[in-house]
Amino acid sequence: DQQVKQNSPSLSVQEGRISILNCDYTNSMFDYFLWYKKYPAEGPTFLISISSIKDKNEDGRFTVFLNKSAKHLSLHIVPSQPGDSAVYFCAASFSGGYQKVTFGTGTKLQVIP
Amino acid sequence: KAGVTQTPRYLIKTRGQQVTLSCSPISGHRSVSWYQQTPGQGLQFLFEYFSETQRNKGNFPGRFSGRQFSNSRSEMNVSTLELGDSALYLCASSSLGIQYFGAGTRLSVL
Repeated sequence: DQQVKQNSPSLSVQEGRISILNCDYTNSMFDYFLWYKKYPAEGPTFLISISSIKDKNEDGRFTVFLNKSAKHLSLHIVPSQPGDSAVYFCAASFSGGYQKVTFGTGTKLQVIP
Repeated sequence: KAGVTQTPRYLIKTRGQQVTLSCSPISGHRSVSWYQQTPGQGLQFLFEYFSETQRNKGNFPGRFSGRQFSNSRSEMNVSTLELGDSALYLCASSSLGIQYFGAGTRLSVL
């Protein structure tokens, strides 16, 4: 049972344009959401997070949007840069779940110069 | 601060053998989690340890086990290896809800 889903395995975007990565979840108990970025031969690195009490969180070029009613979140990267090319994982956890974090299957983003 | 360190980086084993992977968390982090990454499956949660106690466990068979030492270092053991156990095994230590990952151990089972 995949509780966190990233339905697009890959995405290609031109440099300078917006990249939008999507994520859906099924467990309504999730109340904390994160995005991680992973380069080949490295472990995932934390990018940005959002609590369920918010619907938007921004950090530089990265913005995460949360739509609780639709159980959907998205990561916007503006403007996209070639160095953003990586696999992006969406993740979710809930209070009381300690550190059990459920990850999606990932979306491979390619930013074309 | 030094990051999360996993050893070894690469490992080749044959079916039926057992393997032990090691993880040293970031200094001060008491929670250590283990994940298996395979193509198309994302990161599958194995288990999480906190202060030497297993707090959470994923849906993996009993062949997968782990432990945590008093210095927070953790080991993961897989017994009776199967071909399907070939994967990248990632360890993460946690602070304030954010996980910090090591580079992983690439296990190949032949």
